[in-house]
Amino acid sequence: GAVVSQHPSRVICKSGTSVKIECRSLDFQATTMFWYRQFPKQSLMLMATSNEGSKATYEQGVEKDKFLINHASLTLSTLTVTSAHPEDSSFYICSARPLARQETQYFGPGTRLLVL
Amino acid sequence: GESVGLHLPTLSVQEGDNSIINCAYSNSASDYFIWYKQESGKGPQFIIDIRSNMDKRQGQRVTVLLNKTVKHLSLQIAATQPGDSAVYFCAGTDMEYGNKLVFGAGTILRVKS
Repeated sequence: GAVVSQHPSRVICKSGTSVKIECRSLDFQATTMFWYRQFPKQSLMLMATSNEGSKATYEQGVEKDKFLINHASLTLSTLTVTSAHPEDSSFYICSARPLARQETQYFGPGTRLLVL
Repeated sequence: GESVGLHLPTLSVQEGDNSIINCAYSNSASDYFIWYKQESGKGPQFIIDIRSNMDKRQGQRVTVLLNKTVKHLSLQIAATQPGDSAVYFCAGTDMEYGNKLVFGAGTILRVKS
């Protein structure tokens, strides 16, 4: 149980294009999902908290117009990197908080984004 | 601000030996902690958690110890195996911070055969 999937697992795009990443909780419902960014050999940095049915909450320094988040249902959140640039290249990881265990987060496998 | 950090960035152990990974945290209000394992190119995998009203919790081959007095927790892995090689993160959270997880820097565990 507690499986979280992400799609795509890796994506290569040209500078200036937009990329959408999906995060799904497969066997549980989650009113809250989180989006993290991870650079090589570094820890996870929280970008934003995605709440089902309401606006996402962004961490300080994260541009909300750059990283659009939509949490359309209890099992799906999407992150869209708009007008991607090479510096946006990173490993993006989502997590989902189960309704039944509000303090725990289960992570997806991550999405490797490379912007050329 | 709140931070959760690690003492040792890299730990090398012989296969079959026990491993101990340490973590320090700064927020005394943190009331829940999780250890995650992350293999290369993958997302973090939940290993074990502990609440602040406990000082020890055991799982399969893993034990987490929490010392609230010195704000320190550790992950012990018994009979370490090659498959345990990964980066291990501790993470803490507290209700006042909206249950957001704050991650430590990570420890690389290398198991030598």
